[in-house]
Amino acid sequence: AQKITQTQPGMFVQEKEAVTLDCTYDTSDQSYGLFWYKQPSSGEMIFLIYQGSYDEQNATEGRYSLNFQKARKSANLVISASQLGDSAMYFCAMREGRGNTGKLIFGQGTTLQVKP
Amino acid sequence: GAVVSQHPSRVICKSGTSVKIECRSLDFQATTMFWYRQFPKQSLMLMATSNEGSKATYEQGVEKDKFLINHASLTLSTLTVTSAHPEDSSFYICSARGTRTYTEAFFGQGTRLTVV
Repeated sequence: AQKITQTQPGMFVQEKEAVTLDCTYDTSDQSYGLFWYKQPSSGEMIFLIYQGSYDEQNATEGRYSLNFQKARKSANLVISASQLGDSAMYFCAMREGRGNTGKLIFGQGTTLQVKP
Repeated sequence: GAVVSQHPSRVICKSGTSVKIECRSLDFQATTMFWYRQFPKQSLMLMATSNEGSKATYEQGVEKDKFLINHASLTLSTLTVTSAHPEDSSFYICSARGTRTYTEAFFGQGTRLTVV
């Protein structure tokens, strides 16, 4: 069964507008971590934001915020004030278990295109 | 942030030959390294997890004898694609996690392998 689901294969957003990329997850663990990465056409994976399962507040990093709804098992990424350089593929990922030892499981990805 | 260097970034090899890809953590000790494979516009598929000084743990369906992983030191892991065939052509990317409590795994730049 898919543990991380990103239902939007592709998204368009107008420059300077906000966009939400969806991510739902499935786990029976109480302790887990949720990540978002950006992958531009060059292929590198750029870490954007992290949310721990016990964190009560939504994570924010600059223009990125994570809308964490634990009961719904969703961890949507919100990008505010989109820029042309935000055009890339975005991956949601989950690490199960406590500590720093678990492996990351990635969703299918969402390709975001920012229009000028 | 921590830096992971992956080399080479691109390689073309002939069918039947072997190719070695290096993944180095430049400013931290990587106790665990992960190797992923990614097909165009698809998600990252975990191939194996390696811990320094011990044998790699391969994911189901990944041929151990085909993809040799060595993690001989805390700063270097290598992936060797043996007797490469055109179907092995793909993007390979490593990530490294250290002894400190990093919330994210750091990724190398990736290697685009083309087997002709």
